Amino acid sequence: GNSVTQMEGPVTLSEEAFLTINCTYTATGYPSLFWYVQYPGEGLQLLLKATKADDKGSNKGFEATYRKETTSFHLEKGSVQVSDSAVYFCALVEAGNMLTFGGGTRLMVKP
Amino acid sequence: ETGVTQTPRHLVMGMTNKKSLKCEQHLGHNAMYWYKQSAKKPLELMFVYNFKEQTENNSVPSRFSPECPNSSHLFLHLHTLQPEDSALYLCASSQASGAGEQYFGPGTRLTVT
Repeated sequence: GNSVTQMEGPVTLSEEAFLTINCTYTATGYPSLFWYVQYPGEGLQLLLKATKADDKGSNKGFEATYRKETTSFHLEKGSVQVSDSAVYFCALVEAGNMLTFGGGTRLMVKP
Repeated sequence: ETGVTQTPRHLVMGMTNKKSLKCEQHLGHNAMYWYKQSAKKPLELMFVYNFKEQTENNSVPSRFSPECPNSSHLFLHLHTLQPEDSALYLCASSQASGAGEQYFGPGTRLTVT
């Protein structure tokens, strides 16, 4: 079956630091890949997505590139802010199957 | 209203109470989902509805009873819950089951006393 593996958190960074959250996946076909973000006390929000190999998803300064050769979709941001503190979920979906989530990575950004 | 809305946002209930959670989506989607999010546990898919028909029930106890009267509304009826059912209950929708991204509501924080 499909699976998504994320680095365990928490990830603690100082403001303006560079962020990378690793995500690797296992799928039988050609999935679409997503990053969701969950701020404290809220639901999950779609942050970005990529639907085919070599696509780059981007939003709010965050980026992730669909790497089929390494089955990865790592999330990056060049300069994090305190307001980016949240839990980040990597996920995939293949046609006809349910969305598969990683376990989530908590990011804490200190001023 | 836009997106996916859920009411109430917070709910405290005793183990003998009966209550319902409501979800409404304004996105024109045909699939709706209930998830349970507990502290330090992965997100758990509970139920899936596609075009008002239940297509998935992931071994959820019968004290949770879903209802989907139309493609825009989803309910979760609760009765005789246990303290371990305390969690954040999230509703989501997508264009169709198993297709594309899902859009989530803000969740209902449920506490069972």
